[in-house]
Amino acid sequence: QVQLVQSGAEVKKPGSSVKVPCKVSGGTFSTYSINWVRQAPGQGLEWMGSIIPIFATPNYAQKFQGRVTINADESTGTAYMELSRLRSDDTAVYYCASTTVRMDRGVILDYHYHFMDVWGKGTTVTVFS
Amino acid sequence: SYELTQPPSVSASPGQTATITCSGDALAKQYAYWYQQKSGQAPVLVIYKGTERPSGIPERFSGSSSGTRVTLTISGVQAEDEADYYCQSADSFASFLMFGGGTRLTIL
Repeated sequence: QVQLVQSGAEVKKPGSSVKVPCKVSGGTFSTYSINWVRQAPGQGLEWMGSIIPIFATPNYAQKFQGRVTINADESTGTAYMELSRLRSDDTAVYYCASTTVRMDRGVILDYHYHFMDVWGKGTTVTVFS
Repeated sequence: SYELTQPPSVSASPGQTATITCSGDALAKQYAYWYQQKSGQAPVLVIYKGTERPSGIPERFSGSSSGTRVTLTISGVQAEDEADYYCQSADSFASFLMFGGGTRLTIL
């Protein structure tokens, strides 16, 4: 059973950066599609980007291009989301969420993997001066 | 455009049927997915690929689609179904994902 383990909380000052880890336990790390989704207080879900570790090339939402970096460390089974130039409106719960990409020897068999069936509990990031 | 539109709120009495809609151009070419989020908790996938139900999700949850509109139906709602529900899809090239604004289901 796949589990996504996230740290509890971060407090940051405006203009700084935050790097949020997501430890994946169980299954084959390299073949997961790992997404980052955030939720500001009282607001809806917002997709930030994703990565499949075996391919290592992330996709980013246009809104966050230039400010977000998503990567994955296959040696530790951990994905990371780093958000820079933090503002007060970046205060949110940041979730990592994943699904398994069906593939065979590096070839994707089913391209309908753009959803999330396993979620972490979220990391609360508070930005204030 | 790649926006998904949901009604802000829906209500139903226990045992009734609740229907939540989601519309957007992306739905004509990509599957819809539905998530349930209870207060203070992470979202849970309740429908994938438009109509499929993950294991452990009650049969009263079902999904359907027609063109650029998809629907989540909860038949015989129970008090425990009170939550926010989000639809989600992807652009035509699956290069980015988007969520609807969410619908709060209130059980009367």
